[in-house]
Amino acid sequence: DTGVSQDPRHKITKRGQNVTFRCDPISEHNRLYWYRQTLGQGPEFLTYFQNEAQLEKSRLLSDRFSAERPKGSFSTLEIQRTEQGDSAMYLCAYRVDTQYFGPGTRLTVL
Amino acid sequence: QKEVEQNSGPLSVPEGAIASLNCTYSDRVSQSFFWYRQYSGKSPELIMSIYSNGDKEDGRFTAQLNKASQYVSLLIRDSQPSDSATYLCAISGYSTLTFGKGTMLLVSP
Repeated sequence: DTGVSQDPRHKITKRGQNVTFRCDPISEHNRLYWYRQTLGQGPEFLTYFQNEAQLEKSRLLSDRFSAERPKGSFSTLEIQRTEQGDSAMYLCAYRVDTQYFGPGTRLTVL
Repeated sequence: QKEVEQNSGPLSVPEGAIASLNCTYSDRVSQSFFWYRQYSGKSPELIMSIYSNGDKEDGRFTAQLNKASQYVSLLIRDSQPSDSATYLCAISGYSTLTFGKGTMLLVSP
């Protein structure tokens, strides 16, 4: 029980395709975060939401990336025109006293 | 820019030994410090948080923080093979976490 669920858990796509990931909090969490983790690295911050407002975006979040949290509940992360360098684990986190991670979505771009 | 440095390892210890994991950070403003454990193919799991100088103990885990030296460590007593994982150090300022690359720990039976 991680407090958030993520869907899909695994995604394989071809370069140039668009992909969308979803993060669903199990209970109400004001803050939701997105991180990306590549092999051999720690998670890197992408963006976070306070309710429906996107308060901060990392420079890692290029124009091909967009995130939304339309009603302050679930959040989506879309990657357009995927590149092989986008292959990574995409992690959603929620915050109570500190940040707790969901199970992640592993993206493989062929 | 915040930086968090960890020895990538692997750190190998025999079962029952004490494992010592270290982390240094560059940002003096950071107020909160965390250790996450990550098994291969899984997401990070929070195991310890520490906010003030000194030691904090939780079961077999002890986190140590020295803000003057910008150093945080994690001790695992009575190491078990199930402790074999990558341990990620993270620091927090206002809202987001900055992680190190992690140290792989291998505990041999």
